[in-house]
Amino acid sequence: DTAVSQTPKYLVTQMGNDKSIKCEQNLGHDTMYWYKQDSKKFLKIMFSYNNKELIINETVPNRFSPKSPDKAHLNLHINSLELGDSAVYFCASSLAPGTGELFFGEGSRLTVL
Amino acid sequence: AQSVTQLGSHVSVSEGALVLLRCNYSSSVPPYLFWYVQYPNQGLQLLLKYTTGATLVKGINGFEAEFKKSETSFHLTKPSAHMSDAAEYFCAVSEGTGNQFYFGTGTSLTVIP
Repeated sequence: DTAVSQTPKYLVTQMGNDKSIKCEQNLGHDTMYWYKQDSKKFLKIMFSYNNKELIINETVPNRFSPKSPDKAHLNLHINSLELGDSAVYFCASSLAPGTGELFFGEGSRLTVL
Repeated sequence: AQSVTQLGSHVSVSEGALVLLRCNYSSSVPPYLFWYVQYPNQGLQLLLKYTTGATLVKGINGFEAEFKKSETSFHLTKPSAHMSDAAEYFCAVSEGTGNQFYFGTGTSLTVIP
């Protein structure tokens, strides 16, 4: 079983559309994250949830909305997609905020045309 | 505030040569330090980490790193590069439980046959 799995792996869509990326972890971790990796490989934290509670909300357009139905799942919904949203989005989890190591999913490559 | 600086966004070494990837950090408290590796089209995976104790840390695939508090550094080394080491390497820091992880901008390692 994959520890952190995210779907879909690839997403190609038109500007203005709405899309979602789902993430699930089976590690029993309390904390989950969304990171955005741009074309230069720079990793930027977007959101973090601890036990379904939002604890990190970086400067991200409010078109991006995370949802955590339970501590094993963290989904990312993006409204009104823009060209600049094209990136690879990584879900990750850790035992607790800032503790231990991060376990990453394989990434979801979003291309906005 | 924490920050991570990786000197050299691209490093090239010959197969069999020493690998040295540099990481400097700033932290107001004793940090937790990490090196992650990202192979093409994959998520990040942990190479090694320092939390407390011995300052020389050994990781997977023959990599090691030394925490030097006086130099605020956590450089990654491997005595002999293999072709399979070609990847993107990220240094990260955390100030421990309750805090987030901060990533450097990454170093792309090329191994020349």
